[in-house]
Amino acid sequence: AQTVTQSQPEMSVQEAETVTLSCTYDTSESDYYLFWYKQPPSRQMILVIRQEAYKQQNATENRFSVNFQKAAKSFSLKISDSQLGDAAMYFCAYMRTGGTSYGKLTFGQGTILTVHP
Amino acid sequence: GAVVSQHPSRVICKSGTSVKIECRSLDFQATTMFWYRQFPKKSLMLMATSNEGSKATYEQGVEKDKFLINHASLTLSTLTVTSAHPEDSSFYICSARVRLGDTQYFGPGTRLTVL
Repeated sequence: AQTVTQSQPEMSVQEAETVTLSCTYDTSESDYYLFWYKQPPSRQMILVIRQEAYKQQNATENRFSVNFQKAAKSFSLKISDSQLGDAAMYFCAYMRTGGTSYGKLTFGQGTILTVHP
Repeated sequence: GAVVSQHPSRVICKSGTSVKIECRSLDFQATTMFWYRQFPKKSLMLMATSNEGSKATYEQGVEKDKFLINHASLTLSTLTVTSAHPEDSSFYICSARVRLGDTQYFGPGTRLTVL
């Protein structure tokens, strides 16, 4: 079974600074998707960024970028120019692309990000 | 686009009663919907996968008779918590996957409190 590990229960960053959230995963598959979701205090899950495993290029969405290391099974999220609105719980998630588990997300434990003004 | 709604947003019920939670994809067709349970400051735990027109697939340890799931159309799935007990109190979240897509879009969640 796939597992996703977020080893940082909590992180903090100063406004306008950069922070990196870590995520590692375990899988025997070669093709899959990885996601970062954000859950603010409203508890609405918001997709931040997604990465397809067959793509070597790291995904980027404005201030959010990932460092995808397939061989190391690592998928970290970098938030640049942090804003107060970035404060939330961040979840790393894995999804297979085929088989009976297709579409199912496996989530990490989450990292609570605090942004200090 | 890709908006998912849930109703109600919060519900309080007495022990022994049943509660129905609706999950709707508002602007797309969702062949597959997922139901999650989340405890405070914890991760999401997948309860079941709901496919339109077929029986739901439950994760190990989830009681099928307690958590009834119906996916009657491409835009609606319902979760019914039957004979609810205080230990069923939790935050329930649904998500919907776009037909042939790979991204799940989440509803805003439903807070269930069983007295």
